[in-house]
Amino acid sequence: AQTVTQSQPEMSVQEAETVTLSCTYDTSENNYYLFWYKQPPSRQMILVIRQEAYKQQNATENRFSVNFQKAAKSFSLKISDSQLGDTAMYFCAFRGMGNNDMRFGAGTRLTVKP
Amino acid sequence: SQTIHQWPATLVQPVGSPLSLECTVEGTSNPNLYWYRQAAGRGLQLLFYSVGIGQISSEVPQNLSASRPQDRQFILSSKKLLLSDSGFYLCAWSRDRGNSPLHFGNGTRLTVT
Repeated sequence: AQTVTQSQPEMSVQEAETVTLSCTYDTSENNYYLFWYKQPPSRQMILVIRQEAYKQQNATENRFSVNFQKAAKSFSLKISDSQLGDTAMYFCAFRGMGNNDMRFGAGTRLTVKP
Repeated sequence: SQTIHQWPATLVQPVGSPLSLECTVEGTSNPNLYWYRQAAGRGLQLLFYSVGIGQISSEVPQNLSASRPQDRQFILSSKKLLLSDSGFYLCAWSRDRGNSPLHFGNGTRLTVT
């Protein structure tokens, strides 16, 4: 079974700075999909960014970008120009190409300090 | 546009009482449906998912069950709640497998006393 590991339970960053959240996963599949979700204090789960494993180019969404290292099975999230509204739990998730279920990591609690 | 409704938002139930959480999706047909549980300060644990009416895959048997009586309705149930069932329950849907993301409801905070 696939597992997703987020080794940083908590992180903090100063407003306007850049922060990187780590995620590793374990799978024997060659094709799969990776996601980052944000859960602010409201508890609403919000999709931040996604990456297809067959694409070499790293996905980017405005201030959010990923560093996808397929061989290392690593999928980190970089947040540039951090804003107070970025304060949230961030979850990394994995979905196999032929699978219906999505597996989540334990999450990283990010605090952006003014 | 698609929307997902999950209720109730909060629930306090005594140990041994039954449970029924409901989730409905609008604006799409034949969605994949999911129930996740999030313990305090922890990640999301997949409980059940369904790819069609009457089709339920269980990840964590325990004392919970799920049913899909209609295409866009997903129900999480228990006959007798345990203290360990307390947590934040999230319903989600996706179009299909692959790169389709999960879209989540607002969640139900369940406290078993």
